[in-house]
Amino acid sequence: GQQVMQIPQYQHVQEGEDFTTYCNSSTTLSNIQWYKQRPGGHPVFLIQLVKSGEVKKQKRLTFQFGEAKKNSSLHITATQTTDVGTYFCAGPRYSSASKIIFGSGTRLSIRP
Amino acid sequence: NAGVTQTPKFQVLKTGQSMTLQCAQDMNHEYMSWYRQDPGMGLRLIHYSVGAGITDQGEVPNGYNVSRSTTEDFPLRLLSAAPSQTSVYFCASSYSDRGRTEAFFGQGTRLTVV
Repeated sequence: GQQVMQIPQYQHVQEGEDFTTYCNSSTTLSNIQWYKQRPGGHPVFLIQLVKSGEVKKQKRLTFQFGEAKKNSSLHITATQTTDVGTYFCAGPRYSSASKIIFGSGTRLSIRP
Repeated sequence: NAGVTQTPKFQVLKTGQSMTLQCAQDMNHEYMSWYRQDPGMGLRLIHYSVGAGITDQGEVPNGYNVSRSTTEDFPLRLLSAAPSQTSVYFCASSYSDRGRTEAFFGQGTRLTVV
């Protein structure tokens, strides 16, 4: 069945270092979404990418959608302690756009 | 606009007890779902619904029941609680409209089964 995978599962970085998480889908996606879950919190929508090769930025966060619309990445430049949390990518299921399949998540921890 | 409301936020059950986790959304979303999240893990889909009167199983449905009598409400029932069901449970609703897709999550229910 349709799967969305993320790597790495965990990443521990020194504050100020960069961080990247990668997302790969087994099928072509009409869009890809990214969510952030702070420790003890719930996932919150960050952004959606729709176009092949699209790149969007939110301050120190850069999101990219692959040309084949099967992969995506989230890059954080110069991490800060506020970036701690788990980052999930997600895409609509091919059977119904409102059904969303989530990746396994990448948990980011930061050494101050 | 409340979004997705889950109750209770915390619950302790004894093995064998049953309970219902409540979930309500006020955004008129057709699609609702329940996930469980174990420590340090991702989201695992328990059950989902594509509209009132329609439900289906996700990855880990055993031990759970759902119903969807209205668009707004999607309760999750634990039939006979087991320690393996200790987890954080999230309800979510989502929509897709004119190319935009987004999921909204409730605050979560932290369940401990002893």
